Amino acid sequence: DGGITQSPKYLFRKEGQNVTLSCEQNLNHDAMYWYRQDPGQGLRLIYYSQIVNDFQKGDIAEGYSVSREKKESFPLTVTSAQKNPTAFYLCASRDWRGSGANVLTFGAGSRLTVL
Amino acid sequence: AQSVSQHNHHVILSEAASLELGCNYSYGGTVNLFWYVQYPGQHLQLLLKYFSGDPLVKGIKGFEAEFIKSKFSFNLRKPSVQWSDTAEYFCAVTPRTNAGKSTFGDGTTLTVKP
Repeated sequence: DGGITQSPKYLFRKEGQNVTLSCEQNLNHDAMYWYRQDPGQGLRLIYYSQIVNDFQKGDIAEGYSVSREKKESFPLTVTSAQKNPTAFYLCASRDWRGSGANVLTFGAGSRLTVL
Repeated sequence: AQSVSQHNHHVILSEAASLELGCNYSYGGTVNLFWYVQYPGQHLQLLLKYFSGDPLVKGIKGFEAEFIKSKFSFNLRKPSVQWSDTAEYFCAVTPRTNAGKSTFGDGTTLTVKP
């Protein structure tokens, strides 16, 4: 089945460490997104990429970095500069074509806890 | 920039009760509108969407939503909820001019008592 795979599902990090969250999709979608979900705050956009080798900052990009070297992969690095990194991170992708256009498909999420 | 406001943070209903979750958005142009649902332990998934045409749209599991352009609203409804509807519901807006950026509301947690 096509979908989005995020790993790891749970991650613990010490303060001052960088950590990279993986996101892989086999849907052949052009656009990929990273959202952060905090209780009572909905989903907030961190970074997005509409095409390989190109990405844009979302609303809360500070302390995060991304790369998009392959269409199917969009890893997110949470750097030590992110002041409050403990959160649930969701990766999503979007197909611009056909009846599914503009609908986001989400992964299962990665829960990051900073100790 | 667009914004989305969901009126209720937590709704508790008994089975068979009717449901209406409010969603208002702020944006000066044309938008696509969505409701997504996150059932316990499951991925966030699409419940229903509005792009154009009939402002009353139907989604999965008996849900429907009505787009009222004059009120910038896209409220979600279900005539009779079931225990299995317990979930978190998110309203989202995507401007037609910048399909890259969807904005989500804060979410509404629905608890249905059996």
